[in-house]
Amino acid sequence: GAVVSQHPSRVICKSGTSVKIECRSLDFQATTMFWYRQFPKQSLMLMATSNEGSKATYEQGVEKDKFLINHASLTLSTLTVTSAHPEDSSFYICSAARDSYEQYFGPGTRLTVT
Amino acid sequence: QKEVEQDPGPLSVPEGAIVSLNCTYSNSAFQYFMWYRQYSRKGPELLMYTYSSGNKEDGRFTAQVDKSSKYISLFIRDSQPSDSATYLCAGYQAGTALIFGKGTTLSVSS
Repeated sequence: GAVVSQHPSRVICKSGTSVKIECRSLDFQATTMFWYRQFPKQSLMLMATSNEGSKATYEQGVEKDKFLINHASLTLSTLTVTSAHPEDSSFYICSAARDSYEQYFGPGTRLTVT
Repeated sequence: QKEVEQDPGPLSVPEGAIVSLNCTYSNSAFQYFMWYRQYSRKGPELLMYTYSSGNKEDGRFTAQVDKSSKYISLFIRDSQPSDSATYLCAGYQAGTALIFGKGTTLSVSS
């Protein structure tokens, strides 16, 4: 199969702190990784696309200085939410593409900023 | 107009029913079409993908694409309570990210 893991699965942090979320493809090398955000009962909102070794491409309206993405290897991408605020509380999901169209999602990370 | 439209439901059916989930799309350049299943508070799980028009079957699931009418469907036979989830359709065009519909919430009662 194609397994993508995310860590942590749940995190609570105080306003103003930074949080790092890891996304790993466990059994394949991902050409591209994606980061999504999902609000309750809403669809997935693409935040950014990242390729290993290059800068992430952010979607319109997503602050690149706030949501730092590092794609260090073909199996690891990280999303850092800097200076988090309560409005950043959400469900963050990553996905990894084995081929360009075949995307596999991680289990998600629920972020709560108090 | 969103590129992929999907009725959010909710759709409620009794166990054993045949379920039909549908999406329409506007982007003629889509080459692949995917169906994902998402349980509450979990990441989406890839169910099936199809290339071009036609049907693809996998167990109780059948995905159908009609490019002439820009219509994609997922049929679930002999639906089970464990099928209760949100189903997301998506279209893919080379060089871009997947474009998702909003998802249809399905509830199968025993």
